[in-house]
Amino acid sequence: DQQVKQNSPSLSVQEGRISILNCDYTNSMFDYFLWYKKYPAEGPTFLISISSIKDKNEDGRFTVFLNKSAKHLSLHIVPSQPGDSAVYFCAATRPQTYKYIFGTGTRLKVLA
Amino acid sequence: EPEVTQTPSHQVTQMGQEVILRCVPISNHLYFYWYRQILGQKVEFLVSFYNNEISEKSEIFDDQFSVERPDGSNFTLKIRSTKLEDSAMYFCASSERTLSDGYTFGSGTRLTVV
Repeated sequence: DQQVKQNSPSLSVQEGRISILNCDYTNSMFDYFLWYKKYPAEGPTFLISISSIKDKNEDGRFTVFLNKSAKHLSLHIVPSQPGDSAVYFCAATRPQTYKYIFGTGTRLKVLA
Repeated sequence: EPEVTQTPSHQVTQMGQEVILRCVPISNHLYFYWYRQILGQKVEFLVSFYNNEISEKSEIFDDQFSVERPDGSNFTLKIRSTKLEDSAMYFCASSERTLSDGYTFGSGTRLTVV
């Protein structure tokens, strides 16, 4: 039962352009969402989060958008840099739980 | 910057053996977690631990698994009688308060069962 889905396993973007990573979820009880970035041989690193009471959260070059009616969130990276090349995971959680449900990840490659 | 430290980075074990994966969470964090990632698959929740007891566990976390905080700093995951399908990256994580803080993950232990 894949409650959090990242349908694009990979994405290539030119340096300086916008990267858009997408995530869909099925559980309407989810109320908090995060994006993590993962480099090879390292653990996931927290990037940005958004609560279900918001539809946008911005932190520097990173913006997360949440469309609750569509059960869809996206991460925008502008401008993309080669150092952004990594696997990006979205994760979601609901009230009264201690766990996050992760998506399968999207491998972003930013081309110089 | 504070880190979550995991040892060993790679463990190879014979099928049927017991392994202990070790983690040192960030010192002022109160919530501890184990996740795993089978190669090419998603990161899966195993267990959360708070106030010296399991607060939540997944269906994966059966009697083969146990967690312990043997002292004030270490957090361990024990896997008894390992199986080939236990081969995965195991990530420890900790958080200071609630989930809204996000986790800090360790670099993981790659467990290979042969």
